[in-house]
Amino acid sequence: NAGVTQTPKFRVLKTGQSMTLLCAQDMNHEYMYWYRQDPGMGLRLIHYSVGEGTTAKGEVPDGYNVSRLKKQNFLLGLESAAPSQTSVYFCASSSVGAKNIQYFGAGTRLSVL
Amino acid sequence: LAKTTQPISMDSYEGQEVNITCSHNNIATNDYITWYQQFPSQGPRFIIQGYKTKVTNEVASLFIPADRKSSTLSLPRVSLSDTAVYYCLVGDGGFTGGGNKLTFGTGTQLKVEL
Repeated sequence: NAGVTQTPKFRVLKTGQSMTLLCAQDMNHEYMYWYRQDPGMGLRLIHYSVGEGTTAKGEVPDGYNVSRLKKQNFLLGLESAAPSQTSVYFCASSSVGAKNIQYFGAGTRLSVL
Repeated sequence: LAKTTQPISMDSYEGQEVNITCSHNNIATNDYITWYQQFPSQGPRFIIQGYKTKVTNEVASLFIPADRKSSTLSLPRVSLSDTAVYYCLVGDGGFTGGGNKLTFGTGTQLKVEL
């Protein structure tokens, strides 16, 4: 059972570079989420999607863009990376009938130098 | 948006029962109470969810008083492997009103020792 898969697991960027984080889920979930977690802090929601072709801003959306072209995939993009975006990024998904029960990926550790 | 308050940290010993209480005074009628566990370098993992009274599964129990303004996660006979951060979340998980109603706070760091 794959569940939620995130790629890559680690990445180092230079300031100003761009990259895309990929999240894939095989549970046919409608809802998908991108969070960031910084040391000593809880998870903060960046963007979320309630279905294919729809996205919305979360708590900390600035500097990020997302796309949900396919139901099973949710992409998080950084157009011009900044050191403040150094963090661990988690993707999650949940079903319509159990929105509070989110399934998380293993995370992507991103360092921006 | 219901805000939750839980202890920053707790210490316990193997074999003991651990109770972590979460306060959520502004809980709404449609809100559920959900607990997650997170190990270092891993994503959070769902533990248990409840609306009122008591819920029990193979991992934990969740006690919710009648006024629902607090909840207690109970971990029976903890082991070293239960050392983790535990998050209490309150919300209906919906996105009405333009925002996510599920917020992860800083959680409770549980440390279990021999």
